[in-house]
Amino acid sequence: DGGITQSPKYLFRKEGQNVTLSCEQNLNHDAMYWYRQDPGQGLRLIYYSQIVNDFQKGDIAEGYSVSREKKESFPLTVTSAQKNPTAFYLCASSTTTGIGSGSPLHFGNGTRLTVT
Amino acid sequence: GENVEQHPSTLSVQEGDSAVIKCTYSDSASNYFPWYKQELGKRPQLIIDIRSNVGEKKDQRIAVTLNKTAKHFSLHITETQPEDSAVYFCAASDDKIIFGKGTRLHILP
Repeated sequence: DGGITQSPKYLFRKEGQNVTLSCEQNLNHDAMYWYRQDPGQGLRLIYYSQIVNDFQKGDIAEGYSVSREKKESFPLTVTSAQKNPTAFYLCASSTTTGIGSGSPLHFGNGTRLTVT
Repeated sequence: GENVEQHPSTLSVQEGDSAVIKCTYSDSASNYFPWYKQELGKRPQLIIDIRSNVGEKKDQRIAVTLNKTAKHFSLHITETQPEDSAVYFCAASDDKIIFGKGTRLHILP
């Protein structure tokens, strides 16, 4: 059954600790994305990757880091530098990349991160 | 970069009536405009999309219109039903997809 798997569903951390959110897809998609969702703010783009070993900052990249060592995996690290890390994080993937080739996003079920 | 504005933030319509959600975008290079529906506690799901070479697209009770000159696009839901209650997001894309802030649609019995 193809799809995007995010784990864990709920994550709790103490302030000052880094935490890594997992995202794995078996859809053979080239592009992968991380969005943050806060009430009333919609989905804001953190980072995206169009190909293995390459990624670009989105609108709110400060305090986050990513890696894309494998096509299937795009983990997101929330560092202690992120001022307001508590949020719902959504990973997504799509088939095509590059300018002029927009295609639908397939989302994971999300990870709700709470930092206290 | 791209900026997408979405209105209204909340919309209540009587069951059976139509609902319209409007979005504007800033980057004239954007050429792909999807709409997503997110039910409470679930992931966003694509409901319809349109590309810049098309002015209108329809799928049963859902339609989307695009005005490239004015840089705005709209979602139209006709004959609304209780299961249409959800948050709807518009988005615009050139090489990355940027979302509006969402519209919470309430279908009143």
